[in-house]
Amino acid sequence: NAGVTQTPKFQVLKTGQSMTLQCAQDMNHEYMSWYRQDPGMGLRLIHYSVGAGITDQGEVPNGYNVSRSTTEDFPLRLLSAAPSQTSVYFCASSYSRVRPTDTQYFGPGTRLTVL
Amino acid sequence: GENVEQHPSTLSVQEGDSAVIKCTYSDSASNYFPWYKQELGKGPQLIIDIRSNVGEKKDQRIAVTLNKTAKHFSLHITETQPEDSAVYFCAARDSGYSTLTFGKGTMLLVSP
Repeated sequence: NAGVTQTPKFQVLKTGQSMTLQCAQDMNHEYMSWYRQDPGMGLRLIHYSVGAGITDQGEVPNGYNVSRSTTEDFPLRLLSAAPSQTSVYFCASSYSRVRPTDTQYFGPGTRLTVL
Repeated sequence: GENVEQHPSTLSVQEGDSAVIKCTYSDSASNYFPWYKQELGKGPQLIIDIRSNVGEKKDQRIAVTLNKTAKHFSLHITETQPEDSAVYFCAARDSGYSTLTFGKGTMLLVSP
């Protein structure tokens, strides 16, 4: 198993550009989520999905879109990049949202800089 | 929603000493409290977790304690080693949304 994979590892964008951060998992996990990590702010939830075709907003969803057409993939789209979206983005997955002790597995992250 | 406070933000210890990181949470219905370790350039990795019906859990040099009445939980690392140096995050599972809310992290530095 590759676990949770994210591409790209690094990305530089100009203000106003759009892009998609890719996330995939090969563990047949139902639950997938996107976090952003900023210095001194910890990990903040952007969007999450409890299964194919179902998504919901987290704490900081503005400026981001997600979709979940398959169990394996959960891409994060930046519609019009802003400098405030400069951050490290982590994708995570777990088997089920229902069982409270399910371990969340994190990907290696994407470091995004918006100029 | 849930709010998780974590202290200290940085912690420096000598190799062999113990380290303690503390977290408080706001939602008394939260029922699951994991701890993650994040090494430089990597994603967070679960190191230990505890459920609300348990007061303490140990795994070799790592232990977690939970005080439901006071709504706080702590990570204890004994006999620290340089490879324990990392950022540690606590989290609480929000009973309303089944999502994890993270603390802001503690950078642990273990000097040889």
